[in-house]
Amino acid sequence: GIQVEQSPPDLILQEGANSTLRCNFSDSVNNLQWFHQNPWGQLINLFYIPSGTKQNGRLSATTVATERYSLLYISSSQTTDSGVYFCAVPEDYGNNRLAFGKGNQVVVIP
Amino acid sequence: DTGVSQDPRHKITKRGQNVTFRCDPISEHNRLYWYRQTLGQGPEFLTYFQNEAQLEKSRLLSDRFSAERPKGSFSTLEIQRTEQGDSAMYLCASSLKGLAGGETQYFGPGTRLLVL
Repeated sequence: GIQVEQSPPDLILQEGANSTLRCNFSDSVNNLQWFHQNPWGQLINLFYIPSGTKQNGRLSATTVATERYSLLYISSSQTTDSGVYFCAVPEDYGNNRLAFGKGNQVVVIP
Repeated sequence: DTGVSQDPRHKITKRGQNVTFRCDPISEHNRLYWYRQTLGQGPEFLTYFQNEAQLEKSRLLSDRFSAERPKGSFSTLEIQRTEQGDSAMYLCASSLKGLAGGETQYFGPGTRLLVL
């Protein structure tokens, strides 16, 4: 099955700083989602982005499918951005079973 | 709120007991998934339904695990004879199968299981 690697595994940010999280995947995909898991365990949808660039407020994401990576940008970080960010792609092309990376643990300090 | 809901949110049980978790998907979604997440890891796929049909169950962790979606709406995940290794967060997700292929899965808040 597909391999998903996220980097960096841990990140500590000063409030107001910008950051970039990276997701590499080992095979072609037709689906890629970014999630934020809050401290209570809820996975919150951030982006559905199999290719191209999307923006939502202070967050934006870019997926370069031909090079098998996706980036999540956090600008002007806030303490509420703390948590774990997950990238997920289908285990096999065209199916709907998601394979997750191990996540990026982000801590934003005031 | 019309998101995915799960019940209970927390469950503590003794080893050997049976437990059952419920998931109510977003109402118009025809696909429902179960995942398991252990500490420090991303969620891992267990099983999924399209309407009432269970289309993939080979990834259930053992024959102690079973899932149902009897009327194509809510689903239950049962673990029989629980073991300490079953302690984890159990997540449910739902999606709407589209003609174009890719689809967005929406997750519930999860059921956190602790087996003593």
